[in-house]
Amino acid sequence: QKEVEQNSGPLSVPEGAIASLNCTYSDRGSQSFFWYRQYSGKSPELIMSIYSNGDKEDGRFTAQLNKASQYVSLLIRDSQPSDSATYLCAVNPPRSGNTGKLIFGQGTTLQVKP
Amino acid sequence: DADVTQTPRNRITKTGKRIMLECSQTKGHDRMYWYRQDPGLGLRLIYYSFDVKDINKGEISDGYSVSRQAQAKFSLSLESAIPNQTALYFCATSDPGTGGTEAFFGQGTRLTVV
Repeated sequence: QKEVEQNSGPLSVPEGAIASLNCTYSDRGSQSFFWYRQYSGKSPELIMSIYSNGDKEDGRFTAQLNKASQYVSLLIRDSQPSDSATYLCAVNPPRSGNTGKLIFGQGTTLQVKP
Repeated sequence: DADVTQTPRNRITKTGKRIMLECSQTKGHDRMYWYRQDPGLGLRLIYYSFDVKDINKGEISDGYSVSRQAQAKFSLSLESAIPNQTALYFCATSDPGTGGTEAFFGQGTRLTVV
């Protein structure tokens, strides 16, 4: 089992719809969770971080964390063609302290069609 | 100018050659990381460093070495390149003042070993 798993997609949604991206992780002791967006040929950029159970909203983005079920999700409301990218889920592994080490999922490709 | 700069951006090299990828940053962060990205596998940590005298292996350090020449410079070497080291390589930094959680990535180096 991979430590961090995502469906590679592509996930295709129409413009204006809600895109739902999911990520599961294997180590129950993981504490910090991140969503990075990566446009084709570009570097990843952080769009959301979440540390406690529940929802965290930032503009059109909402991150949801459920530690009991070991999943973290990203919702993108009012999806735009400019949201078309690969979304990487990343987790601070347990016992990594504040090293900044990250375990990444393989990424989900999102396509928003006009 | 980018805060995290990688050189070269693209490189084609032959099997058995030694190659160095360089990374410099102006963010003033102590922590620096080298990741490689392969299709379908996400990003995997090769090495990380907390300061000039503190170098640590990541998940996939075999076949690689690093040098932290200064706080701002962290280079990755492939002593004898092999084709399965063909990948996209990213340098990243993080700020321990924020718990070292957010990673800032360079533009990436696309390496092809033929």
